Amino acid sequence: DIVMTQSPDSLAVSLGERATINCKSSQSLLYSSNNKNYLVWYQQKPGQPPKVLIYWASTRESGVPDRFSGSGSGTDFTLTISSLQAEDVAVYYCQQYYSPPLTFGGGTKVEIK
Amino acid sequence: QITLKESGPALVKPTQTLTLTCTFSGFSLSTNGVGVGWIRQPPGKALEWLALFYWNEDKRYSSSLKNRLTIRKDTSRNQVVLTMTNMDPVDTASYYCALWRTEGGWFDPWGQGTLVTVSS
Repeated sequence: DIVMTQSPDSLAVSLGERATINCKSSQSLLYSSNNKNYLVWYQQKPGQPPKVLIYWASTRESGVPDRFSGSGSGTDFTLTISSLQAEDVAVYYCQQYYSPPLTFGGGTKVEIK
Repeated sequence: QITLKESGPALVKPTQTLTLTCTFSGFSLSTNGVGVGWIRQPPGKALEWLALFYWNEDKRYSSSLKNRLTIRKDTSRNQVVLTMTNMDPVDTASYYCALWRTEGGWFDPWGQGTLVTVSS
């Protein structure tokens, strides 16, 4: 199974400041035939199901604010919130879809400092 | 509009079998490249993928839980059913179903989830 490791477990960021979340996979998620990384980022707010933010590691879902960006390739990925807003308080998860069994990271809780 | 909704018992006893139903609309599970997955989340903990039913009747299960899980579809009712045997208090969690597509591989959208508590 591909193990997904997120860091940090939680972080507190001041409003308007940058938040950076890391996700590391135990094997490469880059599929050579199409040069795509099989990684998605979800946002989960309290009491709600997860919502897709970023897929293919760096493609923003329609309607997601452009302060959210994804980067990385292979085994190391990053979700960046460029200017944290109050409504961004949530837990963020990465998930690989390179191969079953599909696996999630442990989540990163983002709070306001 | 695509929607999914989970249903099942809120409380099960240890050793019992849990049966959860995902009722969906807005898509057909017979459509090439479509699947329905189940994911769970213990209170305050991370997401854990459980099983996936594909349009071609193929099925995939979590490595750690595959001996306890069965996923099947009820085409006539647009439902996907997940059964989990030998329930334990550690299985207490919100259980979600979600649409999966082969053109991507992520889950979107998700149902609202159903909380299942395992207690005697």
